[in-house]
Amino acid sequence: GPKVLQIPSHQIIDMGQMVTLNCDPVSNHLYFYWYKQILGQQMEFLVNFYNGKVMEKSKLFKDQFSVERPDGSYFTLKIQPTALEDSAVYFCASSFQQDTQYFGPGTRLLVL
Amino acid sequence: QEKVQQSPESLIVPEGAMVSLNCSFSDSASQSIWWYQQHPGKGPKALISIFSNGNKKEGRLTVYLNRASLHVSLHIKDSQPSDSAVYLCAVRATGGNNKLTFGQGTVLSVIP
Repeated sequence: GPKVLQIPSHQIIDMGQMVTLNCDPVSNHLYFYWYKQILGQQMEFLVNFYNGKVMEKSKLFKDQFSVERPDGSYFTLKIQPTALEDSAVYFCASSFQQDTQYFGPGTRLLVL
Repeated sequence: QEKVQQSPESLIVPEGAMVSLNCSFSDSASQSIWWYQQHPGKGPKALISIFSNGNKKEGRLTVYLNRASLHVSLHIKDSQPSDSAVYLCAVRATGGNNKLTFGQGTVLSVIP
């Protein structure tokens, strides 16, 4: 089936540093999403993105977070500066229209 | 805000058994309900979705939706050890920009 790739698979950084999580969505997909899952908790929506713009963001999408997809390259989630509570698995997803979302394997972020 | 609750938390069945997973949601106007399967270290994979009241069958999977009781169930016929995974119920709200609200998941173990 369609594959979404995420780079890196794991990232360990010190609190206060910047981190960029990269997502390579399915090639013809137009809608992109980030979800956050803290260990032992349910997956939660962060943000979705279409046509170069954020469509909706949740309360979890703090001011320190930003997303972009410059010129059809990676869809990125940047956190600057990071905080301890940002430690989680971040899943990227994409969809062609507002239908089935295909998820990547996640990036495991640990903030020390 | 949509709330999604799944039961049971975990389930152990012998190979060949029928599996029944439950999901309750809070908004009767929710547009659609999706079931995802997630293996350890992987991203969620879409299995089946339902939009209208009633049931839908795909292969060994059957999903039942009852909007009046705010309940959806997933049934897996002739379960296999490869079905062992976490099953996630996700609700897409009307007008919600394809945002998914996830339950906490049911851990299924199918014993050979």
